[in-house]
Formats: sequence, structure tokens, C-alpha cells
Amino acid sequence: DGGITQSPKYLFRKEGQNVTLSCEQNLNHDAMYWYRQDPGQGLRLIYYSQIVNDFQKGDIAEGYSVSREKKESFPLTVTSAQKNPTAFYLCASARPLGYGYTFGSGTRLTVV
Amino acid sequence: AQTVTQSQPEMSVQEAETVTLSCTYDTSESDYYLFWYKQPPSRQMILVIRQEAYKQQNATENRFSVNFQKAAKSFSLKISDSQLGDAAMYFCAYRSSYNTDKLIFGTGTRLQVFP
Repeated sequence: DGGITQSPKYLFRKEGQNVTLSCEQNLNHDAMYWYRQDPGQGLRLIYYSQIVNDFQKGDIAEGYSVSREKKESFPLTVTSAQKNPTAFYLCASARPLGYGYTFGSGTRLTVV
Repeated sequence: AQTVTQSQPEMSVQEAETVTLSCTYDTSESDYYLFWYKQPPSRQMILVIRQEAYKQQNATENRFSVNFQKAAKSFSLKISDSQLGDAAMYFCAYRSSYNTDKLIFGTGTRLQVFP
């Protein structure tokens, strides 16, 4: 079955470390997205990519980086510059023009 | 910039009853898409229903229906015959037809269903 796989489900980071969250899709979607979810704030867009080797900053890109070397993969790196990284991270992909997103099951990142 | 507002942080309903969740949005565009997503305790985001702005007919999916009022920029979700499994966070979302870069979400409404 087609879908989006996020890994790991839970991730713990020490202060000052970079960590990378994985997102893989087999839906043949061109566009992929990373959202951050905090209590009471809904989902906020971090980065998005509409084609391979191209990506744009979303509303809260500071302290994050991404790459899009393959259509299927869109990893997110949370760098040490991100001051408050503890959150739930959701990856999504989409067909163009008006279709809803398909979401992964998310990664819960906690700074310890 | 487009915004989506959900003014009800929490709602509750008795099993088998009907509940309506509110959503308003702000946009200067005439063509766009609106969505309701459900996020149960598993935190998996599930698409509930989709509405195309150029269609006047309200979308329906089984027990879920919307009341789309384009002039008022309102997009409410009605859940009929509520079930315990409907308990979840519900997010309203907007996607432009012209600039398909992102889905804009409201802050969500937590729905509790009581037996």
C-alpha cells in the first residue's frame, strides 16, 4: 500500500546536537512538506519542496534544514540553532492543485 | 495572507447526537479548497472531507457534511450520529488554487464524545 513513513516515532536529543528526522513516501507525489505541531498552535509549516533538488522555507524555518535529493525522500534536520525543538513533527506529501495532503504518523522529538 | 480561525477550542457531544464545528477563513482569492482533518489520539492526520470553493453544493462523506458559506467565508463541519470513535482533534485547513505551496491550518477543536 502507498503511504508516508516517518522514522523514528520517538527521538531524544541532547542540547547542542543535530538530529535528522526521516520521511519517505511511495505515492509518487511531487510535493512534500514538514510541519511542526505544538499544543494550542495547530500545525506550522517548516519547509516544503515541490520538486526534486528544490525547497522553500515555510513560516518557521529557523533552526531547521532539509534536502530533497530523491522524489521519495525529504529528511528534516533539527539543528542546535533551534532553541525550542521539543514538538511533534509531521511530514506530508500531496498531489498538485487542490488535493489534500497525505500525512505520515509523525515523530515526537524531545530535548533532554 | 490567508488565515484560518477555529473559535471553539473544545466541544462535546452525546453519542448518537449531532455536533457542528465552526471554521472561518480569510482570503482575497476566489478559487481555493477547504478541508477538515481529524487527528485521533494516535496523532495520525486523517482527511475527513474536502470542499472546492467553486462548487456551491456542500460536500458530504457518510456522517460528515459541511456548511460552506463562501460569502461569509465560513466552513463548518457537521457530524451526525456521533460515535465514540469520532473523539479527536479536528482541524480546518485552506489550500489556494493559485499558490499550492502549503495547507494553512486552524488551531483545532478538540471533540469529546460521551456515551
